[in-house]
Amino acid sequence: EIVLTQSPDFQSVTPKEKVTITCRASQSIGSSLHWYQQKPDQSPKLLIKYASQSISGVPSRFSGSGSGTDFTLTINSLEAEDAAAYYCHQSSSLPPTFGGGTKVEIK
Amino acid sequence: QVQLVQSGAEVKKPGSSVKVSCKTSGGTFSSYTINWVRQAPGQGLEWLGGIIPMFGTPNYAQKFQGRVTIIADKSTSTAYMELSMLTSEDTAVYYCARSDPGQPYLDYWGQGTLVTVSS
Repeated sequence: EIVLTQSPDFQSVTPKEKVTITCRASQSIGSSLHWYQQKPDQSPKLLIKYASQSISGVPSRFSGSGSGTDFTLTINSLEAEDAAAYYCHQSSSLPPTFGGGTKVEIK
Repeated sequence: QVQLVQSGAEVKKPGSSVKVSCKTSGGTFSSYTINWVRQAPGQGLEWLGGIIPMFGTPNYAQKFQGRVTIIADKSTSTAYMELSMLTSEDTAVYYCARSDPGQPYLDYWGQGTLVTVSS
């Protein structure tokens, strides 16, 4: 199975700062990488599909990039409401797998 | 508007089974994939398996083979996940999540069902 390694595990950030989260796959997955946001006591919410494609209704400060084995989720100008855990997910091969998550805290 | 509504929280004894339901509305139930994903307390996300109701044949993660059963009832647009031989390590929130045909990202999620395994 494909292992996804996220970094960092935790990040404490000041509002308006830029946040960068990385996700590395154990083998090439093309662009079959998706990002989710999970706020406390809520279900995950799809943020980015296929590495860089935006999702309707998601603020434009969220963007994704990468292909192959290395991917990045960027949050430009962090807002207080962005405090959450972020997960990457690969759909290149079964079983689908998730990264371990990155918790973003607002300072 | 697509909605996935799951059954309520469960408390189970070790060695028993639990069955969680996921009733869907909006969209075409038969043609999309219903996935089951769990999250242990304070932990990340783990895929258990999925089913396309139109075809009826589920896929399971190898880790859960022999312990998990996923079925879909097209007449009620409801999917079910049953997990047997429960241990304390199965204590988790269980989510159902939908993906469209050929679009394997999870675009709609249920609200989650907490399953607690305790003697």
